[in-house]
Amino acid sequence: AQSVTQLDSHVSVSEGTPVLLRCNYSSSYSPSLFWYVQHPNKGLQLLLKYTSAATLVKGINGFEAEFKKSETSFHLTKPSAHMSDAAEYFCVVSDFTGGFKTIFGAGTRLFVKA
Amino acid sequence: KAGVTQTPRYLIKTRGQQVTLSCSPISGHRSVSWYQQTPGQGLQFLFEYFSETQRNKGNFPGRFSGRQFSNSRSEMNVSTLELGDSALYLCASSAGLAGTNTGELFFGEGSRLTVL
Repeated sequence: AQSVTQLDSHVSVSEGTPVLLRCNYSSSYSPSLFWYVQHPNKGLQLLLKYTSAATLVKGINGFEAEFKKSETSFHLTKPSAHMSDAAEYFCVVSDFTGGFKTIFGAGTRLFVKA
Repeated sequence: KAGVTQTPRYLIKTRGQQVTLSCSPISGHRSVSWYQQTPGQGLQFLFEYFSETQRNKGNFPGRFSGRQFSNSRSEMNVSTLELGDSALYLCASSAGLAGTNTGELFFGEGSRLTVL
């Protein structure tokens, strides 16, 4: 069975400092993993995806994530936070078992202080 | 190309009424999935349709139903509304085929339902 655990419900950083949002997953198959971002009252936008190619995945807006199978982790990082990064971030696992089954983590709200 | 379009964006209903939400996927996408987002429960999967057939279903009561048309547009319906149905309902489209698509979802901006 699939599951996704985002280890922090809230993360607060200062502008210009690194961002780390943590995600652990569980899947019986070879999953695809994603990070999405949601700004207030908006839909979700894809940041990056892992689909069994390179384990270090680069996304939009300077974000990247590393797939670590031994740790079942897919943490999201960014070297330097901007104010515009303040939003909610979702780690997502998806696999195809007769149809795509997608499980979302509970989300991590990122606050960026000036 | 145009993104995923959801209508209406906002609506208010009273308990016991029913509601129908519409979703137009990205052109060429054959899979449409629906999600309910609430502050308490987060994002929960409702169902997924592909080529007019429901392929997957989440753990929601039978009051929640959906369908997909031959042009891939989808509707979801909630009957006998309860206060707890107040939520942001998100629709997402994807190509929907294993091997050609990795499960990447393209989301609409959602329909915000308030039940009074």
